[in-house]
Parts: sequence; structure tokens; C-alpha cells
Amino acid sequence: EAGVAQSPRYKIIEKRQSVAFWCNPISGHATLYWYQQILGQGPKLLIQFQNNGVVDDSQLPKDRFSAERLKGVDSTLKIQPAKLEDSAVYLCASSPRWELFFGEGSRLTVL
Amino acid sequence: AQTVTQSQPEMSVQEAETVTLSCTYDTSESDYYLFWYKQPPSRQMILVIRQEAYKQQNATENRFSVNFQKAAKSFSLKISDSQLGDAAMYFCAYSYRNTNAGKSTFGDGTTLTVKP
Repeated sequence: EAGVAQSPRYKIIEKRQSVAFWCNPISGHATLYWYQQILGQGPKLLIQFQNNGVVDDSQLPKDRFSAERLKGVDSTLKIQPAKLEDSAVYLCASSPRWELFFGEGSRLTVL
Repeated sequence: AQTVTQSQPEMSVQEAETVTLSCTYDTSESDYYLFWYKQPPSRQMILVIRQEAYKQQNATENRFSVNFQKAAKSFSLKISDSQLGDAAMYFCAYSYRNTNAGKSTFGDGTTLTVKP
């Protein structure tokens, strides 16, 4: 069974630039999550999708972050404009029910 | 809001020995899940063990077991016969036991070093 795929693995940008991350969840997993993991901290939920609808985006900084899940499968997370404090690993996870299956993450460095 | 606290930023253990990682949480709910996830360096996070709050029996998965104290809101992970491959960051996590059961709150992790 293929795991959760994420790209790119690494991205370096300057502040005020934009960046997009892509996630392909495990086939059949209806729920998809984006987490932000700052160095030395645990993952923090940004947004949760159920199929192609948003369930919870209360922690998403909507002035600069946006996310969508097309046709209930792939998802993209965009940051525009990026700030220094956005430097983190962005983790995508999918879930059939209660267990989270994580991708390898996309590491963002904002200079 | 639910919070998860891991008070040990770093732990070390000698290979083949036993180590216990601590976790406390705060919730007003009575029915929930607790998890331990493992994140090896530069690799993806994977589930180690899960405990359902309504079950009194502590969960066990091979060398990994938990000590779940519901009244004390404590959830520790014991790793027996530690192996070099156990070296990783370990995260304790909490989740409602409902349709959003995958939406988890994580602690800040404990880095485990295994010495040969």
C-alpha cells in the first residue's frame, strides 16, 4: 500500500514570496490533515478536510495560508506572503478513522 | 481546550534496557483516544501504540506498553529491551473519540537516544 506522498521535500524562499505544498493521501482515506511542525515542537493542526469539504480550519492563518482538496483526493497548501516564522515542516496526514498516517513532510525555510 | 504535556525533552537508555517516557494531558471529555507516535530522524511519523480511554486494560504492542492512569490524566510509554532503532522523537497525542478521531493534539515530544 502506497503511503502519503508529499512534495517538495525541501523549499527555501525569501520572506514575502509564495510557496505551495502538495499532498496525495492514502487511497480510500476520506480525512486529510495539514499540520505545521516548528523545530522542537509537536505538530499543530492547520486544517482538516473530510472528502473535499473543510471540517476545521480554525487554526489556519487565513490572511496568508490557504488550502484546498481537489475532488476529495489530492490537497495543496499555499502560503502567500511567507513570513520568517513560517519556517517549519509541513506535515500532511490522512486517516481512515482514528490513526494518522503521515507523509515525510515538506521542510520550509524562509530567509 | 485539550493540552498534552511531555515534561522530558530528552531521555537516554542503554541498549537492551527499559525506559519510560512520561505524558500528561488535560481534557473535560470522558471518551477519547491517546497515542504514542514515533518520528525517526528525517523519516515519517508512525503510530507506536493506541489506548482507548474507556478501556481499563493497558495497551501493549510487542516491546511497547503503556501505563494509563485516567484519573491522574497520565499516559506513559514503556519501551522494553531497547534497540538502536528505537532512537527517535516520541510524541504523545490526544484525540476525541468521535467522527473527528484523527484530529489530534500533540505534545512537544521527547527525544530518545539509545546507547550501544
